[in-house]
Amino acid sequence: ILNVEQSPQSLHVQEGDSTNFTCSFPSSNFYALHWYRWETAKSPEALFVMTLNGDEKKKGRISATLNTKEGYSYLYIKGSQPEDSATYLCALSTSGTYKYIFGTGTRLKVLA
Amino acid sequence: AAGVIQSPRHLIKEKRETATLKCYPIPRHDTVYWYQQGPGQDPQFLISFYEKMQSDKGSIPDRFSAQQFSDYHSELNMSSLELGDSALYFCASSLTPSGALDNTDTQYFGPGTRLTVL
Repeated sequence: ILNVEQSPQSLHVQEGDSTNFTCSFPSSNFYALHWYRWETAKSPEALFVMTLNGDEKKKGRISATLNTKEGYSYLYIKGSQPEDSATYLCALSTSGTYKYIFGTGTRLKVLA
Repeated sequence: AAGVIQSPRHLIKEKRETATLKCYPIPRHDTVYWYQQGPGQDPQFLISFYEKMQSDKGSIPDRFSAQQFSDYHSELNMSSLELGDSALYFCASSLTPSGALDNTDTQYFGPGTRLTVL
């Protein structure tokens, strides 16, 4: 059974702080790693999809890196704002399947 | 831009009743996925369809069935409902199957249907 783990489970930071969290996954049969942002009462919003070892993606103040050899991805938020408060989910897709394996999510709360 | 539409958004049923959830994918998307998210849990994959054929199956109970129609919308049919079926049910769509050798199309999620079984 493939397991995708995220840490920390929850995080409180002050407005303006930079933060990062981790998604760990088995590297066998890796195809792609997806990051989603999920606000309460809304559906998950796609942030990044990464496929190559060493990939780095950036969207505004949010960026992500990927290491497929050791099986982890980092998500960074620079200068956190209250509107960044959400759950950040990573999802693994593997070769030959049509499903994602979701991590447990990191719940971020940015305090004004 | 058009998004994934799910209906109904909320549904309350009694034990042993049946329920049908509907999902309308983003236009041109040919693949739909169903996920179940129980309280405090991460989403669990149930089933997916590509071009109206079942493409993958996850932890979907035998009491549930699903299909994709010619207009690409999908329905999840749930029978003999149990209390444990209370959850948020998400549908997602993509243009081509995730995991195919030559594409990384992202799954786009609908707002979910919250099912409560009393």
